Amino acid sequence: DQQVKQNSPSLSVQEGRISILNCDYTNSMFDYFLWYKKYPAEGPTFLISISSIKDKNEDGRFTVFLNKSAKHLSLHIVPSQPGDSAVYFCAARYNQGGKLIFGQGTELSVKP
Amino acid sequence: DADVTQTPRNRITKTGKRIMLECSQTKGHDRMYWYRQDPGLGLRLIYYSFDVKDINKGEISDGYSVSRQAQAKFSLSLESAIPNQTALYFCATSDQTTLTDTQYFGPGTRLTVL
Repeated sequence: DQQVKQNSPSLSVQEGRISILNCDYTNSMFDYFLWYKKYPAEGPTFLISISSIKDKNEDGRFTVFLNKSAKHLSLHIVPSQPGDSAVYFCAARYNQGGKLIFGQGTELSVKP
Repeated sequence: DADVTQTPRNRITKTGKRIMLECSQTKGHDRMYWYRQDPGLGLRLIYYSFDVKDINKGEISDGYSVSRQAQAKFSLSLESAIPNQTALYFCATSDQTTLTDTQYFGPGTRLTVL
């Protein structure tokens, strides 16, 4: 039973445009949500997070939005750059439990 | 130098063999984790340890065991490898004293079981 879902396996965007990656979850006990980026032959690297008590967190070109009523979060990248091409995983943390539940990942391709 | 290292980076083995994957960290974190990544399934938690004397099963622990030899070292063993354990394996660490308890990952071990 997948508690964190990324329904789009891939996304292609033109350089300079906005990339929007989506993630849905089912468990109301998650207290933090995180996005990780993964390049080939490397481990995932932390990108940005949001607490369940917030609805938006911004860090440079990256913004994460949380809609608790819809159990949905999204990562916006503006403007997208070719170096953003990677697999993006969303993850959710149980209430201060440390464990993360990951989505399946979305492969973003930013075309020059 | 990398904060979280994994050895080996690649391994090919045969069905029935015992395999150990090792993870070391210099971040001083107390929590360590082992995940596997399979195409279309994301990362799934195998085992985790919140300190040296603490070991916990994750969602897919069958066929695996772990050892936390020291705060900085966490090893994953496959007692008798089978082909469906072919995957990319990641070790991660986190610091429980931070608000987000963000996890930091090693570079991964690609394991192939023939």
